[in-house]
Amino acid sequence: DTAVSQTPKYLVTQMGNDKSIKCEQNLGHDTMYWYKQDSKKFLKIMFSYNNKELIINETVPNRFSPKSPDKAHLNLHINSLELGDSAVYFCASSQDNGYFYGYTFGSGTRLTVV
Amino acid sequence: TQLLEQSPQFLSIQEGENLTVYCNSSSVFSSLQWYRQEPGEGPVLLVTVVTGGEVKKLKRLTFQFGDARKDSSLHITAAQTGDTGLYLCAGADNYGQNFVFGPGTRLSVLP
Repeated sequence: DTAVSQTPKYLVTQMGNDKSIKCEQNLGHDTMYWYKQDSKKFLKIMFSYNNKELIINETVPNRFSPKSPDKAHLNLHINSLELGDSAVYFCASSQDNGYFYGYTFGSGTRLTVV
Repeated sequence: TQLLEQSPQFLSIQEGENLTVYCNSSSVFSSLQWYRQEPGEGPVLLVTVVTGGEVKKLKRLTFQFGDARKDSSLHITAAQTGDTGLYLCAGADNYGQNFVFGPGTRLSVLP
């Protein structure tokens, strides 16, 4: 059983398009996250949701809109895609804020904007 | 803003050798975690350390949290090719209110 699953694994799209990435966790965790990993492998948090409530919203263009229909799902919608959005996007979950038990990550979605 | 630095950035060694990688900051952390990330996968948690001076062992991996809780090290004994990957440290302040990842050390263990 996959603990944190995100789809699709790969996404190639043209500039200006709108796309969504879906994430689901079956761990019973109450907090979910979206991270962006750039070409230098630097992981940077984008959003954090706790029980469907937005907790962290880092400086991310408002073209990125997360949506959490329930605490097991956190989707990411991106409008008007730009070349600079190309990266690997990771969904993660944790119990509470992950302070002690850490995060469980999905396997990532590699987004390529052409 | 807290920053974590990791060194070395890249490390290539032969199977059977020992190695140590470092994670440093000027900030104090409530907890520090180490993750390993393999190509095409997400990071996987290896350990969490929360007490200054704490040492934890996970088979051939030894993790240490600095006394001042500003730095940490990961030592691998008799490295194996399966240890190859990107090692990330992540620090939390205020008991998890802010969580930041370091840039990682890319380890290659050659047969």
